Parts: sequence; C-alpha cells; structure tokens
Amino acid sequence: TQLLEQSPQFLSIQEGENLTVYCNSSSVFSSLQWYRQEPGEGPVLLVTVVTGGEVKKLKRLTFQFGDARKDSSLHITAAQPGDTGLYLCASAISGTYKYIFGTGTRLKVLA
Amino acid sequence: DAGVIQSPRHEVTEMGQEVTLRCKPISGHDYLFWYRQTMMRGLELLIYFNNNVPIDDSGMPEDRFSAKMPNASFSTLKIQPSEPRDSAVYFCASSFHPRDYGYTFGSGTRLTVV
Repeated sequence: TQLLEQSPQFLSIQEGENLTVYCNSSSVFSSLQWYRQEPGEGPVLLVTVVTGGEVKKLKRLTFQFGDARKDSSLHITAAQPGDTGLYLCASAISGTYKYIFGTGTRLKVLA
Repeated sequence: DAGVIQSPRHEVTEMGQEVTLRCKPISGHDYLFWYRQTMMRGLELLIYFNNNVPIDDSGMPEDRFSAKMPNASFSTLKIQPSEPRDSAVYFCASSFHPRDYGYTFGSGTRLTVV
C-alpha cells in the first residue's frame, strides 16, 4: 500500500523565517500535488509536479520533486501569517485517479 | 463559476438517523470525488465517479454508506443508519483532469452524530 509520510507534523515559526516541509513515499510517484487547507475550508491546489528533479516556484513557495520521484519538498521563504494552514501532499495510486493524501504538516506563522 | 457547492455546511443528527450530504460539482468537470477527513485518519477517499458512473467505491466504510450521481450536476452521499464514529468533515471535489489540474474541493459538511 502506498503511503505518503509528511514531516514535520507541526511547525510554529515567526514571521520572516524560512521553512521546508517534506513528503516521502516508499513508492515512485507518477505525479505529486501540494495543497493548502485553511480552517473550515477544503484543500486548495498549489502545484502539480510530474518530472523527476522538477522545481516549480509560486511567489515565495518553491516546490521540488526528487530525482527518483519518491520524495518532494516545499520551501517557504520569509513566511507570513497568511501562510498558516495545513499543507498536504497527494499522489495517485498507479494507473488510477485514486489520490491518497499525506497526513499533512500543520504550519503556524506568528506575527 | 461558484466552485464546488456542498450542503449542508453543518449537520448534527442522532445515532440511527439517516443523513444525506449533497454536492454540486463545477460544470464541465467529469470527475467527482467524496472524501472524509478526521484528525486521526486524515483525508480518506470514499468513492469517485467519472461521467456520473461510480468507478471505485472501495473506500466506502461499509454498507451503511451509499453514493449516487444521477446527473452531471448533482451527487449525494447517504449514511443510513448513522453512528457516532461517522462524525467527520465530508468533502466533495471535482476535476476536469485530476493528474494535470488537481481537484477543486468544496467547503465540506461537518457531520456530528450524537
């Protein structure tokens, strides 16, 4: 069974600090998505990465897909209180559209 | 587009009662997914549809759960009879092409069974 492990589970930092969260699997990802979920709302898609070694940037967020496509990271530069939320990675079970989600990293950025 | 619309936002019901959750996907999205989220288990896929046809319902917990999609603009998730362990946030999501465009989630229905 493919499992997505995310670390750290919780992270509390001061505004302006940098941080990195991770998503790992024992299986190879065909593609991987990152979502952010705010309290009381559904997850919102941030990015999809497909190619091993791929790097995508979304303003202060940098997403990297591991060369072997078994891990991914999300780096936030100069975090802001608006970045607070639950960050989830998701990947499809091979050959299907059944997306499984990691357990998430709960980020709190203090002003 | 108004996005994925779920109703109700909150539902409190007594154990043994029937509960029906509703979802209106984004127009043109061929895929519809039902997820359940709890602190203990995170987001779990219950069932998904493609072109109104159920493709995989292996995540549905047991026979008490059923889902339908009578047309492209409406889906329901029904629990009968409900139990306290069904308490969770239930999300509906739709997609045009999940791999390339990901999902658009609704705001969820918070179900509490007492």
